[in-house]
Amino acid sequence: EPEVTQTPSHQVTQMGQEVILRCVPISNHLYFYWYRQILGQKVEFLVSFYNNEISEKSEIFDDQFSVERPDGSNFTLKIRSTKLEDSAMYFCASSWTGPAKNIQYFGAGTRLSVL
Amino acid sequence: ILNVEQSPQSLHVQEGDSTNFTCSFPSSNFYALHWYRWETAKSPEALFVMTLNGDEKKKGRISATLNTKEGYSYLYIKGSQPEDSATYLCAFGTTGNQFYFGTGTSLTVIP
Repeated sequence: EPEVTQTPSHQVTQMGQEVILRCVPISNHLYFYWYRQILGQKVEFLVSFYNNEISEKSEIFDDQFSVERPDGSNFTLKIRSTKLEDSAMYFCASSWTGPAKNIQYFGAGTRLSVL
Repeated sequence: ILNVEQSPQSLHVQEGDSTNFTCSFPSSNFYALHWYRWETAKSPEALFVMTLNGDEKKKGRISATLNTKEGYSYLYIKGSQPEDSATYLCAFGTTGNQFYFGTGTSLTVIP
């Protein structure tokens, strides 16, 4: 069964460093998403991406964050200068059509630890 | 940020018991309500997507109902089994294509 894959499973970085989290969505899906979950808190929507551009983003997704689909298969989340509060699980998801009405398939997540 | 509430926060039931939990969401700007099942160390797995008031969906022993006018959805599990142990998340999709998750209900089924 097709699945969303995320790498790495755990990323440790120093405060102020840039990190890139990688995702390979399901191949025929058109919409891609990033979510995060800070330990003990809700899963939070960050951004959705369609047709090579951001379609929606939340208040959390500020100038520190960017997303890219560099090669038609990968979907990346970049955090420019990490802060301690960026430590969280980051989940990538994809769906065939529009975000709210369609099932989203999630990856297993990347745990980001900012020291 | 919209508030999506789930109750109870956690639940322990005996194998064979039936159980249900609630997801409450704002009734305005409703577009869809999703239920996900999330086992530890795995990806959240979609159970249902519901869009219409009065929708009822069923998948094996699990079913869900939706009331968009009053802003709630119920998830029912009939005859709980140990493999049903997981966190059950609901997520509210708005007409603005934003997506808000609840905090989840953690279910433990005791053999």
